Amino acid sequence: GDSVTQMEGPVTLSEEAFLTINCTYTATGYPSLFWYVQYPGEGLQLLLKATKADDKGSNKGFEATYRKETTSFHLEKGSVQVSDSAVYFCALSDIGNQFYFGTGTSLTVIP
Amino acid sequence: GAVVSQHPSRVICKSGTSVKIECRSLDFQATTMFWYRQFPKQSLMLMATSNEGSKATYEQGVEKDKFLINHASLTLSTLTVTSAHPEDSSFYICSARFGGISEAFFGQGTRLTVV
Repeated sequence: GDSVTQMEGPVTLSEEAFLTINCTYTATGYPSLFWYVQYPGEGLQLLLKATKADDKGSNKGFEATYRKETTSFHLEKGSVQVSDSAVYFCALSDIGNQFYFGTGTSLTVIP
Repeated sequence: GAVVSQHPSRVICKSGTSVKIECRSLDFQATTMFWYRQFPKQSLMLMATSNEGSKATYEQGVEKDKFLINHASLTLSTLTVTSAHPEDSSFYICSARFGGISEAFFGQGTRLTVV
């Protein structure tokens, strides 16, 4: 079945450091891919998405490219800020209307 | 963007009582709603998927009689935790999507504490 494997956390970075959170997926069809962010005590917010191969999703300085050949959707940001501290979830949505989430990666950015 | 409102945000109940959590899509008609339970190590566990007007589809291992899900309209789904026990204490999150849109929109979550 479909699944998402996400880099284990927690991740701690200094402000302005480069961020990569790895995400790979397994799917039988052509899923849409997402990154969601969760701030403490809140629900999930869509950060970015990509619906087909080679699409690049971007938002708030974060980027991720849908790589079909490597079945990956790694999240990157060139310069993180303290306000980026949160938990990040990689997810996929398949043709069967289901959502599959990774286990989440906690990011802490220190000044 | 689309807004999903979940209520209450926090609830404390006594063991043996039932608690209802509401999930509303405020500015769109949600053809599908999902209910998740989030454990302390952050992972989201899908509990059930519901489509308006039909019975919810529960994931394996989720007790249908304990976690009652009703999707009575295109803007409202409810999760009722019946005869709650301390082990049901958790963070419950709903999400909704509508036809033609690939992403799901999430509620703010409900922190349930059973004492």
